[in-house]
Amino acid sequence: EVQLVESGGGLVQPGGSLRLSCAASGFTFSNYWMNWVRQAPGQGLEWLANLNERGSEIHYVDSLKGRFTISRDNAKNSLYLQMNSLRAEDTAVYYCTRSFDLWGQGTLVTVSS
Amino acid sequence: QLVVTQSPSASASLGASVKLTCILSSGHNNNAIAWHQQRPQKGPRYLMKVNSDGSHNKGDGIPDRFSGSSSGAERYLTISSLQSEDEADYYCQAWGSGIKVFGGGTKLTVL
Repeated sequence: EVQLVESGGGLVQPGGSLRLSCAASGFTFSNYWMNWVRQAPGQGLEWLANLNERGSEIHYVDSLKGRFTISRDNAKNSLYLQMNSLRAEDTAVYYCTRSFDLWGQGTLVTVSS
Repeated sequence: QLVVTQSPSASASLGASVKLTCILSSGHNNNAIAWHQQRPQKGPRYLMKVNSDGSHNKGDGIPDRFSGSSSGAERYLTISSLQSEDEADYYCQAWGSGIKVFGGGTKLTVL
């Protein structure tokens, strides 16, 4: 089955770190650009970052200001998002998406003391 | 700077048709966009990509009731024979230079 499954979300204190994972299956992961998108409670979708098939070209939304790092491991068919210096406003459901034509179910990150 | 604008809400009756609009900012008339559907409490679902010439490529399993078109800086999603399950948020997403941008979404109510 073609799917993306996110994991790694949870409750973290302000200033803390979290690493999200996205496991891909059913397709050739290394052939696709991959993206992270988030959705704060009651809000719309916000694109965060993407990287190309080999991970050699990476783009971020300006507002992240270096706090988040996207990466991938094609041998493990996995995409990652390392999130540091987390803030309350980072509370959201985080989705991975394959070139926007396939979405995961999302993982919830809650930043609170 | 690429900006994508959508009306916050739309409504139409069961069985009728509705046309949702996505407007690209000045200088981006040639950008392709994608439409995504998000039903209540669910993750987004890719519907289709719409090119500047109006051609579109739908995702697997997307009914024929859904179609896309284009005119200038505007991109459209038309849903015909509306069903209750079409009640959802619809997001327009554009490809910029390296970055990707979402519109604010249109909440579609089926009356």
